[in-house]
Amino acid sequence: QKEVEQNSGPLSVPEGAIASLNCTYSDRGSQSFFWYRQYSGKSPELIMSIYSNGDKEDGRFTAQLNKASQYVSLLIRDSQPSDSATYLCAVRTGANNLFFGTGTRLTVIP
Amino acid sequence: NAGVTQTPKFQVLKTGQSMTLQCAQDMNHNSMYWYRQDPGMGLRLIYYSASEGTTDKGEVPNGYNVSRLNKREFSLRLESAAPSQTSVYFCASSMNSVSEQFFGPGTRLTVL
Repeated sequence: QKEVEQNSGPLSVPEGAIASLNCTYSDRGSQSFFWYRQYSGKSPELIMSIYSNGDKEDGRFTAQLNKASQYVSLLIRDSQPSDSATYLCAVRTGANNLFFGTGTRLTVIP
Repeated sequence: NAGVTQTPKFQVLKTGQSMTLQCAQDMNHNSMYWYRQDPGMGLRLIYYSASEGTTDKGEVPNGYNVSRLNKREFSLRLESAAPSQTSVYFCASSMNSVSEQFFGPGTRLTVL
C-alpha cells in the first residue's frame, strides 16, 4: 500500500467553479500535511500546509484535514485557467520522512 | 534572494559516465534534500542532510552519493550512470527536518 494516494485525474472543471482535490494516507502517526502545485516542466511550489484537524483557508484555497479518516483535501474556489496544473499531496510521518502522492492533474476550462 | 538553485538544467550522459549535480540555497536553511521524479512514481527521496555535516539515505539511494559541502551547498553524484537514472532531479531545503520544503528548478537528466 502506498503511503499517499491521490486520484491521478485528469480533473476538469469550468472556470469559476470549485475544484476539489483529495488525498488519503496510510500512516496514522502522520503529523504534517502539505499541498504543492506543479506546472508542467516546473518544480513543485508550496501552496498550503495543515497540521491539525479542520479547515485552513488562504485566499481561494482551503485545505481540510480529517485525521480519523486519514484524509486531506484541497478546495480551490473560483477556479481560474491559471490554476491548471498538477497538485501534489505530501504527508510527513516523521523527521525527514515526507512522502508525496503521484499528483492530480487539474484542468480549468475557460 | 534566489531561493534554491540547481545546475545544470539539462544533461545528457552515456552509460557509465559520472557527473555531479549542484544545489545551493540562500535561505539559511539547515536541512537539504535530493529527490527524483519519474512519471507515475511521484517524488522519491534519494538522500537528505538534516544539518551541516550529516547525510542519510532516503528511499532510493542506490547508485548515488552526496556531499554536504557547507550549510548552503548539497551535491549529488552519479559515479557510473545507468539508463534507469534518467529522471528529473529536484533539490529542496527546509529550515529544519519538520518544516516546509522549498524546491529548486530541477535538472532533467537523460542517460543513453
